[in-house]
Amino acid sequence: KAGVTQTPRYLIKTRGQQVTLSCSPISGHRSVSWYQQTPGQGLQFLFEYFSETQRNKGNFPGRFSGRQFSNSRSEMNVSTLELGDSALYLCASSLVGDRAYNEQFFGPGTRLTVL
Amino acid sequence: ILNVEQSPQSLHVQEGDSTNFTCSFPSSNFYALHWYRWETAKSPEALFVMTLNGDEKKKGRISATLNTKEGYSYLYIKGSQPEDSATYLCASISSGSARQLTFGSGTQLTVLP
Repeated sequence: KAGVTQTPRYLIKTRGQQVTLSCSPISGHRSVSWYQQTPGQGLQFLFEYFSETQRNKGNFPGRFSGRQFSNSRSEMNVSTLELGDSALYLCASSLVGDRAYNEQFFGPGTRLTVL
Repeated sequence: ILNVEQSPQSLHVQEGDSTNFTCSFPSSNFYALHWYRWETAKSPEALFVMTLNGDEKKKGRISATLNTKEGYSYLYIKGSQPEDSATYLCASISSGSARQLTFGSGTQLTVLP
């Protein structure tokens, strides 16, 4: 079974621009979560999508948004980029069901640098 | 404890040594605890998902225990090997509508040959 894939792997943008990151979950996984990791910080939860609906959202400004398609692929968008948005963005997928009990399968991440 | 805390932040051990580290989490409304291993240049990989107080899980040389009443979990590695070098993350989930994983900052383990 193919793992979680994320594109692009690396991205350089300038302040004020917007960016879209993509995540393809493991086949059969319908839940996709997004996380941000910055230096010195643990993984910070951004949001989770299930069956094309945002089921949960972390404490991030409205500049961070996402969506999920009918094939469970998910995109994350950040508008009006700030220097502090430079981070590794990870997505993770998990099986249907009570996700508290379901391990998350992580992708390789997208390294975003904002100049 | 409002956040998930892990200690120590980093650890260096010699090959063959056994080691352990701690994850502390809010004990109220506890729902589940996850452990992940994150090797450099790879993706985080799930080790254990634990839900019951007193639970103990084992995978090869790695094992974990859970105390939900006092809000802590220990991860043990027996006979550490260089390939065990990684950052070990724990994440807790509280019951309620916002069942999201809250991660600790991790323990970075380096096993010296």
